[in-house]
Amino acid sequence: RKEVEQDPGPFNVPEGATVAFNCTYSNSASQSFFWYRQDCRKEPKLLMSVYSSGNEDGRFTAQLNRASQYISLLIRDSKLSDSATYLCVVNTDYGGSQGNLIFGKGTKLSVKP
Amino acid sequence: GAGVSQSPSNKVTEKGKDVELRCDPISGHTALYWYRQRLGQGLEFLIYFQGNSAPDKSGLPSDRFSAERTGESVSTLTIQRTQQEDSAVYLCASSLEVGYNEKLFFGSGTQLSVL
Repeated sequence: RKEVEQDPGPFNVPEGATVAFNCTYSNSASQSFFWYRQDCRKEPKLLMSVYSSGNEDGRFTAQLNRASQYISLLIRDSKLSDSATYLCVVNTDYGGSQGNLIFGKGTKLSVKP
Repeated sequence: GAGVSQSPSNKVTEKGKDVELRCDPISGHTALYWYRQRLGQGLEFLIYFQGNSAPDKSGLPSDRFSAERTGESVSTLTIQRTQQEDSAVYLCASSLEVGYNEKLFFGSGTQLSVL
């Protein structure tokens, strides 16, 4: 089982739709979790951290389910500008060969007019 | 500078030549990472530095790849005898320190094309 797994998509949704992505992780000792966003031919940028209690930032809501070892990202009222690849990142905090941070391969979202 | 700076932004080279890619992290960031991203693919981890030390170099694809960091600042990634399969975007990222709440800041990458 891969350490961090995401559905690659693409998710094709109309403007205004609500869309959700999940990301599963294999290491139950993982400490912290993040979503990064990567626009086409650009570098990844931090979108939001994921807290145990769940957190919301405008139209974006992130949730953590430790029992089932997954995190989710919900986007409400999708905008054309939300079109990007969303990367799930898990921090293992055990300083392995990749440092602490394990990146998923990303889920591609395309919002259509 | 305000962000992570990488140079050159684009590099076109001939097969068999050596190339050197440079990364200037955010000032004060002790951790520095190199990733490779082929077109349409995910990030491929190459190596990371904590200070000037790289705890594990096993992520480097072959012995043609090497990296160093000096002064807990600038890092260079060197690819010797480049091959066409080395063509990719090479991304550098830095963070304040390796830790549980580590957040990465990425540079805009070096697009390497090996002809």
